[in-house]
Amino acid sequence: NAGVTQTPKFRVLKTGQSMTLLCAQDMNHEYMYWYRQDPGMGLRLIHYSVGEGTTAKGEVPDGYNVSRLKKQNFLLGLESAAPSQTSVYFCASSAGTLEQYFGPGTRLTVT
Amino acid sequence: EDKVVQSPLSLVVHEGDTVTLNCSYEVTNFRSLLWYKQEKKAPTFLFMLTSSGIEKKSGRLSSILDKKELFSILNITATQTGDSAVYLCAVGAYLNTGNQFYFGTGTSLTVIP
Repeated sequence: NAGVTQTPKFRVLKTGQSMTLLCAQDMNHEYMYWYRQDPGMGLRLIHYSVGEGTTAKGEVPDGYNVSRLKKQNFLLGLESAAPSQTSVYFCASSAGTLEQYFGPGTRLTVT
Repeated sequence: EDKVVQSPLSLVVHEGDTVTLNCSYEVTNFRSLLWYKQEKKAPTFLFMLTSSGIEKKSGRLSSILDKKELFSILNITATQTGDSAVYLCAVGAYLNTGNQFYFGTGTSLTVIP
């Protein structure tokens, strides 16, 4: 039982490049979330999904897209990376408003 | 606007001290309040509170929720250096689009030997 896994763990991008972050969970959770964490800002919700094939915007969705084609996977895409997207990205899953289980995070630097 | 506010922002104590961390919230369609501990990696779950006045305990940590005054506290007694971390408060809410969580900015706790 791996819980929530994220790939990659680290990535450096140049401005304008694109990339996809993958989140996978093996707990059969309906809900999955993508957060970014910046110093002094806490965790801010980017997008979330309440089930396979559904997505919804969170607090800071601009510049990101997501897809949930399979229940266990939640992908976060950056189409044209900007330095302001330098952050640590966490994926989480939950069964409703019960506790969230977090992945180990992806540290992204955009130069 | 929904918000979760934690105080203090940071705290430095000596081993053996007792600390109280605060979390106040203004969130519509409140469903749950959760506390997490974050060391230099992903947040790990501590407590989930849904009812007022019922204390939850785990070892030296305890937490209680007041849904009338819209706040929660996290107490840590006999602190140890291993308690040094950022403590996050989150509120779960139900929206038309599904469940969402709102996080506070966290309280950074440093325990000095």
